[in-house]
Amino acid sequence: TQLLEQSPQFLSIQEGENLTVYCNSSSVFSSLQWYRQEPGEGPVLLVTVVTGGEVKKLKRLTFQFGDARKDSSLHITAAQPGDTGLYLCAAKSGGSYIPTFGRGTSLIVHP
Amino acid sequence: AAGVIQSPRHLIKEKRETATLKCYPIPRHDTVYWYQQGPGQDPQFLISFYEKMQSDKGSIPDRFSAQQFSDYHSELNMSSLELGDSALYFCASSLGVGSYNEQFFGPGTRLTVL
Repeated sequence: TQLLEQSPQFLSIQEGENLTVYCNSSSVFSSLQWYRQEPGEGPVLLVTVVTGGEVKKLKRLTFQFGDARKDSSLHITAAQPGDTGLYLCAAKSGGSYIPTFGRGTSLIVHP
Repeated sequence: AAGVIQSPRHLIKEKRETATLKCYPIPRHDTVYWYQQGPGQDPQFLISFYEKMQSDKGSIPDRFSAQQFSDYHSELNMSSLELGDSALYFCASSLGVGSYNEQFFGPGTRLTVL
């Protein structure tokens, strides 16, 4: 059973469209990170959220942590081909210092 | 800014051979984590070290061992390689351990076992 469920698993859109991907769990997390990974490369940290209800913006990317700290969303405005990649959420819960990863959302943005 | 360095980037080995993967953390980072990522899978945690001592252990096979040296670099030693060990191996580093510490990943080593 995957502790972190990411949806959708795959997403194929046209340049300029908006999209939202989700990371959900029944567990409460102390912190949650979003990463973007390109094929054959390491995950690149995009953002860390720690406070329930927190919203962070990174250019066209908006990250939200749920009020109960059990879920998070990533919204991309006006997607560009350079946004193509695997978006992974990773979260720590309880006293663990090791994050659990979701399976990721594979995004393709067509020109 | 300096990032996590891993070497080699690609490695091809035969079954039953041994392999050593190296990781150089971001300067001043004292914690190193090793992950294994199979095709289409999320990264699976293997083992971590904080201040040269093993801090957490995940799904690392008994055939694998790792250590962190005085300069904080780490090596993952893999023996009796099996076909199923073919994967991307990532190292990540952080400053300290804790619920809020952020992990920064290296570019990975792609291991292929033939």
